[in-house]
Amino acid sequence: GDSVTQMEGPVTLSEEAFLTINCTYTATGYPSLFWYVQYPGEGLQLLLKATKADDKGSNKGFEATYRKETTSFHLEKGSVQVSDSAVYFCALMANTGNQFYFGTGTSLTVIP
Amino acid sequence: ETGVTQSPTHLIKTRGQQVTLRCSSQSGHNTVSWYQQALGQGPQFIFQYYREEENGRGNFPPRFSGLQFPNYSSELNVNALELDDSALYLCASSLDKGRFMEAFFGQGTRLTVV
Repeated sequence: GDSVTQMEGPVTLSEEAFLTINCTYTATGYPSLFWYVQYPGEGLQLLLKATKADDKGSNKGFEATYRKETTSFHLEKGSVQVSDSAVYFCALMANTGNQFYFGTGTSLTVIP
Repeated sequence: ETGVTQSPTHLIKTRGQQVTLRCSSQSGHNTVSWYQQALGQGPQFIFQYYREEENGRGNFPPRFSGLQFPNYSSELNVNALELDDSALYLCASSLDKGRFMEAFFGQGTRLTVV
């Protein structure tokens, strides 16, 4: 079945450090891929998405590229800020599906 | 602010009790899904409703049930609560069932079963 595996945390970085959170997926067909962010005590917010191979999603300095050959969708940011501290979830949805499959989340803490 | 509102934000129930959680979808959205997020885990799909009919269900027992009303708001009911039902319950809505990739999530209801 469809599933997402993401890098386990927690991750602690200093402000302005480079961030990578790894995400790989298993799916039949060609799913759409997503990164969601969850700030403490809040629900999920869509950070970025990509709907086909080689697409790059980007938002607020975060980027992720849909790599079909490696079934990956790694999240990157060149210079993290304290305000980026949150839990990040990788997710997929089959193009004919109606549900998201989420990874277990990666907690990021950025220290000044 | 996504326009998806859930109530209550927190509640505590005793094992064996029943609970009803509510979700008001964003204006014009006819599709609602419910997810369970246990502590330290990713959200798990419970079920989806489209125009008042169930449109898919995840691997949850029948004691998890739902409703969608003509105004497209929704309820999640859980009977015979167990300790493992303690979780954040998230509601998400979209303009149509074919556009669930564009869904907006609510803030969630934190349920604690003691």
